[in-house]
Amino acid sequence: SQQGEEDPQALSIQEGENATMNCSYKTSINNLQWYRQNSGRGLVHLILIRSNEREKHSGRLRVTLDTSKKSSSLLITASRAADTASYFCATDEGNDMRFGAGTRLTVKP
Amino acid sequence: DAGVIQSPRHEVTEMGQEVTLRCKPISGHNSLFWYRQTMMRGLELLIYFNNNVPIDDSGMPEDRFSAKMPNASFSTLKIQPSEPRDSAVYFCASSFGSSGFSYNEQFFGPGTRLTVL
Repeated sequence: SQQGEEDPQALSIQEGENATMNCSYKTSINNLQWYRQNSGRGLVHLILIRSNEREKHSGRLRVTLDTSKKSSSLLITASRAADTASYFCATDEGNDMRFGAGTRLTVKP
Repeated sequence: DAGVIQSPRHEVTEMGQEVTLRCKPISGHNSLFWYRQTMMRGLELLIYFNNNVPIDDSGMPEDRFSAKMPNASFSTLKIQPSEPRDSAVYFCASSFGSSGFSYNEQFFGPGTRLTVL
């Protein structure tokens, strides 16, 4: 079964707008990671946020983590057509690592 | 660095045949992961090696699947006999972890698209 669950499943926005994707999980974690996958390609790591961190930034990306709600969000600001991809959150659970079903983001030029 | 290398990139085979997927992790990485991705089940962790030792293979679907890592620079995932429901994209990923099982950033290969007819 999948640990992280992304919401929404699909998101379509105009270039320049912000995109927010959410991830919820069920058990305690050491860290949570966000990955991007372009169609037909492998996953690319975006950000890792540890359980004792609340917010992290990387360029146009902002990730928050609320361990009390067991949720995380990924914000992409000033989106570009090149941001079109699927975005996955991944959580560690003991000896395992689980990916959510992903959010399919489409940025229209 | 060339990144994680997987071969073949595409594999089409008939039901009952043996399939071997190959992976070369990034040099210096000590953890290697095999994943399977399908539309129905998403991305699933099959098995995880640390320092060439299988740590967790609970994600391996059944006995038809086996994985080996004979050395730090090579791993195989074998399916014997293959079935149509094994059709998926299989990803290999590697990372460097210094302690415990807290997962660090993983670097994914391009994947092998397997079709079993």
